[in-house]
Amino acid sequence: AQSVTQLDSQVPVFEEAPVELRCNYSSSVSVYLFWYVQYPNQGLQLLLKYLSGSTLVESINGFEAEFNKSQTSFHLRKPSVHISDTAEYFCAVSAYRGTYKYIFGTGTRLKVLA
Amino acid sequence: DGGITQSPKYLFRKEGQNVTLSCEQNLNHDAMYWYRQDPGQGLRLIYYSQIVNDFQKGDIAEGYSVSREKKESFPLTVTSAQKNPTAFYLCASSSGTVLTGELFFGEGSRLTVL
Repeated sequence: AQSVTQLDSQVPVFEEAPVELRCNYSSSVSVYLFWYVQYPNQGLQLLLKYLSGSTLVESINGFEAEFNKSQTSFHLRKPSVHISDTAEYFCAVSAYRGTYKYIFGTGTRLKVLA
Repeated sequence: DGGITQSPKYLFRKEGQNVTLSCEQNLNHDAMYWYRQDPGQGLRLIYYSQIVNDFQKGDIAEGYSVSREKKESFPLTVTSAQKNPTAFYLCASSSGTVLTGELFFGEGSRLTVL
C-alpha cells in the first residue's frame, strides 16, 4: 500500500531564511505527487504537482519541489520565506490501486518568525 | 466564481444527535469527496462519489452516511454511531476520477460535540 511520511510536524524559521519541508513516500506502483497548503480554518489549495517530465516543479509564489525517485522523496523548498507563508503544508500522492486515491501526509506546520 | 461551498462553517451538536453537513459545487466536477481532519493525523477519506447516484466508502466510513442525488451536491450525515465526531470536515471535488489533477476543497465545517 502507499504511504506518505512528513517527518517534521512543525518547522519554525525566520523571515527571509530558506526552508525545506520533507516528504517521503512508499509505493509499489507509479505515483503522482502533490503539495497542498492550508491557511488557518480554510480548505487546502494546490501549491504544485509532479506528474511526469522535469523532476523540478515550481509554484507561482516561489516554492519548488524536486521528485527524487531513487530516494522516494518530494521535498518542498523556498529560498526566502515571508510571514505570509505561515501555514500547514501537506504532501500527497495519488496512485492506482483498483481506483485512484489520494494519500495525504500528516502535515507540516510552517511558522515564519519576524 | 466557481468553487465549493460548505455549510455550516461551525456546528455544535449534543451527543446522540445526527447532523448533516452540506457541500455544493458549481465546477461541473464528476467526483466529490469527504475528508476528516484531526490535528496531527492529516486528512482521512470518509466517502467518495465518482458519479451521481453512486458512492463508495473510504477509510473511515463507520458512523457516516452520504447521498449523491445531484451532480452538484454531496451532503454528509454524521450519525450518533460515530464515536468521536468532533473534527474539521472538508469536502473536495475533482474533474475526473483519474487523480492526476487537482483536488478542489471547500473551506470546511468544524463540528463540535458537546
